[in-house]
Amino acid sequence: NAGVMQNPRHLVRRRGQEARLRCSPMKGHSHVYWYRQLPEEGLKFMVYLQKENIIDESGMPKERFSAEFPKEGPSILRIQQVVRGDSAAYFCASSSLAGEETQYFGPGTRLLVL
Amino acid sequence: QKEVEQNSGPLSVPEGAIASLNCTYSDRGSQSFFWYRQYSGKSPELIMFIYSNGDKEDGRFTAQLNKASQYVSLLIRDSQPSDSATYLCAVKAGGYQKVTFGTGTKLQVIP
Repeated sequence: NAGVMQNPRHLVRRRGQEARLRCSPMKGHSHVYWYRQLPEEGLKFMVYLQKENIIDESGMPKERFSAEFPKEGPSILRIQQVVRGDSAAYFCASSSLAGEETQYFGPGTRLLVL
Repeated sequence: QKEVEQNSGPLSVPEGAIASLNCTYSDRGSQSFFWYRQYSGKSPELIMFIYSNGDKEDGRFTAQLNKASQYVSLLIRDSQPSDSATYLCAVKAGGYQKVTFGTGTKLQVIP
């Protein structure tokens, strides 16, 4: 399966804990995007990364959220000190190049903060 | 003003009819346009992309782009109940630019 992989698919955290969401892009893809989707709402862009670089983080909350895409391994979206409002579906998408426009989505991680 | 606007719906059409989904965008520098379908609880899946003015057909789906009017649409012919989903319009400028999504139009195909 050469698709975008995300894990875990479901994550439950208590308020104040840390959440780590992982995304492995499609084979050959070096660009990763993270989106958040609240129930019955649209996709909200969070961050756009290339390997070892953050291209655009204009959608990331200023505090508690960070993202990385190291040279080796998956991209990580990290949420520190989670609050109930962080409960959402987090989707990762990847593309091959900036000029290759098409993004392919992973299955998402459903985060529930108790 | 939202960057990408879609009517949230729901848009209800009878089975076999043509469903017409519309999207407008604000950035005149936009170069690439996408339609995604998202079933409830699932991730978005790409239906079509279009770069040039005019129509692009793929099976029952036709994407239409009018850059002068900043308008892109998706037509679904012979609509089926399995087409019931939320359809997301997405727009991208060139180069290292993010893709901007609309909030989606919910389509209901009535058997």
